Amino acid sequence: DAGVIQSPRHEVTEMGQEVTLRCKPISGHDYLFWYRQTMMRGLELLIYFNNNVPIDDSGMPEDRFSAKMPNASFSTLKIQPSEPRDSAVYFCASSPRQGGGSTGEKLFFGSGTQLSVL
Amino acid sequence: RKEVEQDPGPFNVPEGATVAFNCTYSNSASQSFFWYRQDCRKEPKLLMSVYSSGNEDGRFTAQLNRASQYISLLIRDSKLSDSATYLCVVGILTGGGNKLTFGTGTQLKVEL
Repeated sequence: DAGVIQSPRHEVTEMGQEVTLRCKPISGHDYLFWYRQTMMRGLELLIYFNNNVPIDDSGMPEDRFSAKMPNASFSTLKIQPSEPRDSAVYFCASSPRQGGGSTGEKLFFGSGTQLSVL
Repeated sequence: RKEVEQDPGPFNVPEGATVAFNCTYSNSASQSFFWYRQDCRKEPKLLMSVYSSGNEDGRFTAQLNRASQYISLLIRDSKLSDSATYLCVVGILTGGGNKLTFGTGTQLKVEL
């Protein structure tokens, strides 16, 4: 089975440019998460979706960041304009619905997008 | 205070040693607990869940102490392949589901 698929694997861009990261979750998973990882702050939850609906975006750093999930098989994270401090690894993860209505506790991560903003 | 705190390490141990990591969490309402493993330049992967009664999976033992709000991971007979970063993860049930918070990880290096 295909896992969570992210693209691109690496992105190098200049400050001020728009960056779009893409994610295809595992088929049948109801939850999709976007995380950012840096050495200083570790893994930070940016936003997550349940059945394509954004549930909690309190981790989105600022208005320059936006995320969408137009359908169950695709999500994007956009940064516009990008800044050097946005440089990090961005992970997308999905999880299946579990009994009792809680999120699936096992997260399946994609391979991540290494973003460098110069 | 961070929601989830871990000693970053690195822990350098010889092959065959027993090593233990601790993790503390700040929110007493936390309801679910996990250890994830992350290899260098790879994505995190679930290692094991942590239950109040403690649980074991081969050489790995996880324990939870709710009163003191800490979680531990014990690795026995460590192997070279155990070298990785171990992430402590704590979940809180919210209106939107189980929100997971990751610690910054503890790095383990197993040496010959």
